[in-house]
Amino acid sequence: KNEVEQSPQNLTAQEGEFITINCSYSVGISALHWLQQHPGGGIVSLFMLSSGKKKHGRLIATINIQEKHSSLHITASHPRDSAVYICAVPGGSQGNLIFGKGTKLSVKP
Amino acid sequence: EPEVTQTPSHQVTQMGQEVILRCVPISNHLYFYWYRQILGQKVEFLVSFYNNEISEKSEIFDDQFSVERPDGSNFTLKIRSTKLEDSAMYFCASRWGRTDTQYFGPGTRLTVL
Repeated sequence: KNEVEQSPQNLTAQEGEFITINCSYSVGISALHWLQQHPGGGIVSLFMLSSGKKKHGRLIATINIQEKHSSLHITASHPRDSAVYICAVPGGSQGNLIFGKGTKLSVKP
Repeated sequence: EPEVTQTPSHQVTQMGQEVILRCVPISNHLYFYWYRQILGQKVEFLVSFYNNEISEKSEIFDDQFSVERPDGSNFTLKIRSTKLEDSAMYFCASRWGRTDTQYFGPGTRLTVL
């Protein structure tokens, strides 16, 4: 069974700072997911990536398949980025996900 | 934009009662999932559903749980006799293909008293 570890668990930043959240996993995968969980609880998929790098607005996700490691970067962070960011990997043949514990990000104005 | 919907948003029940949590996945999606998140813990997989049957389930998904897709649009999770430890947020998710992005519903917060 794949083990997903994220760091840090909690992160406080000042508005405008560059943020990095890390994720490592124990078993090789086909693709890794980054998700955002809002304070109200809803979950939104940010990225699904299997190699290299993806960018969406101020968010950048990278993955190193050989190292079993992925990072999520946020450039020019803003208070509205405050949320829990979760890394997840496929857990079975039917596409269900195994989730990390999440990184709680708080961006102060 | 199409979205996954869930009802109710919050359900309070007494221990031992049956509850049914409802989800309407995105209409052309083929794979459906239930996950749960106990307060302060990580999201956990419960069950996946494809082609009108359970395709995979976790050890959490015991005989107290069942899922149905009764009418081609709704996807339900039934807990037969709720326990205090069933208190959690339950998320439904759907995707078109097995390796595509999953779309999550807003969740149902279940409180068992």
